[in-house]
Amino acid sequence: EPEVTQTPSHQVTQMGQEVILRCVPISNHLYFYWYRQILGQKVEFLVSFYNNEISEKSEIFDDQFSVERPDGSNFTLKIRSTKLEDSAMYFCASSEWGFTFGSGTRLTVV
Amino acid sequence: KNEVEQSPQNLTAQEGEFITINCSYSVGISALHWLQQHPGGGIVSLFMLSSGKKKHGRLIATINIQEKHSSLHITASHPRDSAVYICAAGGTGNQFYFGTGTSLTVIP
Repeated sequence: EPEVTQTPSHQVTQMGQEVILRCVPISNHLYFYWYRQILGQKVEFLVSFYNNEISEKSEIFDDQFSVERPDGSNFTLKIRSTKLEDSAMYFCASSEWGFTFGSGTRLTVV
Repeated sequence: KNEVEQSPQNLTAQEGEFITINCSYSVGISALHWLQQHPGGGIVSLFMLSSGKKKHGRLIATINIQEKHSSLHITASHPRDSAVYICAAGGTGNQFYFGTGTSLTVIP
């Protein structure tokens, strides 16, 4: 069964550093998403991406965040100048009719 | 403001019991998803519903579009069903609204 692959599975970074979270969506899917889940809280929408551009973003997705599809397969989330409160599980998902989540990247900012 | 409300928040059941988790939503949707989150954090999509009822093994999901309500049922529950079950309402291309999840523990 096709999978959404996320790397790394766990990233530890120092406060103020930039991190790039990577995702390989399912190849024939057209919609891509990033979500995050702070420990103990519900999953929150960050951004959706369609046709090589952002289609919708939440209030959380401010100038600190950016997304790119640098080639035909990867979909990245860049977080600049990380803060302690950016520590969370970040999920990538892709969809056509169904919805498939990656297994997540646990980001720990120290 | 919670666009998606789930109940109960926590549920403990004996192995073999029939389980129901409820989800009510206030947004217009083209699809509703039931997701399962394992203790390690990974999320698996169980069902996508736009109308009626779907069944997969011991899991059944129903949706009533008029009442903006969906239920997830687990028949003959088993300890391996222990997980957090999340309802998410939305549609392709739009943001999804997630419920806070129902933490299910099935005791042998």
